Amino acid sequence: QVQLVESGGGVVQPGGSLRLSCAASGFTFSSNAMHWVRQAPGKGLEWVAFIRYDGSNQYYADSVKGRFTISRDNSKNTLYLQMHSLRAEDTAVYYCAIIPRTSENGSGGDYWGQGTLVTVSS
Amino acid sequence: DIVMTQSPLSSPVTLGQPASISCRSSQSLVHSDGNTYLSWLQQRPGQPPRLLIYKISNRFSGVPDRFSGSGAGTDFTLKISRVEAEDVGVYYCMQATQFPWTFGQGTKVEIK
Repeated sequence: QVQLVESGGGVVQPGGSLRLSCAASGFTFSSNAMHWVRQAPGKGLEWVAFIRYDGSNQYYADSVKGRFTISRDNSKNTLYLQMHSLRAEDTAVYYCAIIPRTSENGSGGDYWGQGTLVTVSS
Repeated sequence: DIVMTQSPLSSPVTLGQPASISCRSSQSLVHSDGNTYLSWLQQRPGQPPRLLIYKISNRFSGVPDRFSGSGAGTDFTLKISRVEAEDVGVYYCMQATQFPWTFGQGTKVEIK
């Protein structure tokens, strides 16, 4: 079955850096576009970043552009989110996910990891 | 960026009664390919989100038919025909027409 397992979260000081990983299994990782979505404690969902199946294009939320970098290693079935210049407002659970925007007759669907918590605090 | 605005933000509902959530986008969600990439997600307490509906009104397989979506352009609605206990959670609309993708603030559905 499809599994997405995030890791790399933790406590980091403002201005610091962190790299999140998402290990994928149970599907053909190299054929799927991937997303990072975050959720601050008690708050709603915020889309963070997207990368095409082959890594050819990346897109970011304005709030993280220039500070975060999404990447992937299809040989390792792993998605990454490199985060720099972290701020208190980046504190959130970070989910990696497959989020299709369409479907053939409702087949398939989305897949999410359980998330990894990033806390930015001094 | 496209701003997604949901209402209400909280919806107390009696079991077996309907619920309706509105979502409005700051600009048309019609893509240049003619599709409207408006989705609805459900997030039960303590769980990751789950897609219910894509392109306004299409249910993913496994989603109960009591969930339905409608709308066009900038105004969209999610309806639950008869709320069940397992429907408690927060519902989000999401636009995937253009990057950056954006979510609504979320609507909390709870049982009265």
